[in-house]
Amino acid sequence: DAKTTQPNSMESNEEEPVHLPCNHSTISGTDYIHWYRQLPSQGPEYVIHGLTSNVNNRMASLAIAEDRKSSTLILHRATLRDAAVYYCILRETGRRALTFGSGTRLQVQP
Amino acid sequence: NAGVTQTPKFQVLKTGQSMTLQCAQDMNHNSMYWYRQDPGMGLRLIYYSASEGTTDKGEVPNGYNVSRLNKREFSLRLESAAPSQTSVYFCASSAVSGYFEAFFGQGTRLTVV
Repeated sequence: DAKTTQPNSMESNEEEPVHLPCNHSTISGTDYIHWYRQLPSQGPEYVIHGLTSNVNNRMASLAIAEDRKSSTLILHRATLRDAAVYYCILRETGRRALTFGSGTRLQVQP
Repeated sequence: NAGVTQTPKFQVLKTGQSMTLQCAQDMNHNSMYWYRQDPGMGLRLIYYSASEGTTDKGEVPNGYNVSRLNKREFSLRLESAAPSQTSVYFCASSAVSGYFEAFFGQGTRLTVV
């Protein structure tokens, strides 16, 4: 599986936007970029995914670089509930299982 | 909506004991997965089942067996528990097609002493 690189931790203030970066320089043309997050003492939950174009949903936005070697998960207004570990995952087309790295631990300050 | 349900939520085993972790999903998903998560680490895939009747090894299958009992249920068995298997175990499921969103259970926290 192609690897991703994320910062170990980030801090944000409540109600401010958060940009979580992910580098994936060895991404192949058919790899999807997925983001999951894991709240304390819970299982991971899906946040968003994309292939080439930027994507928006009710939880977040995903900005994908033109060369697809990096992406950024954008939380538009962080809340205390957004404190979690965020995982950037590449999923090969045809492969169903997700390979998790160590993710970015996001702390949100009131 | 129940989603993915795992039982039990907590378990303490002695070294050498056996047990089965149960997982059931009510979303009519074809694919199911078992992961383990050690403290401070990401999740690692133990086994997965792409569809009813099939199972495949993941990254860390040693010491585990699985059974895809039917479309809803996917169990994980530890035949002879070892302290190295102390971990939090997550079951997940996903559809074959579409957005491929994976849904995870709440986890089973297993301690082997």
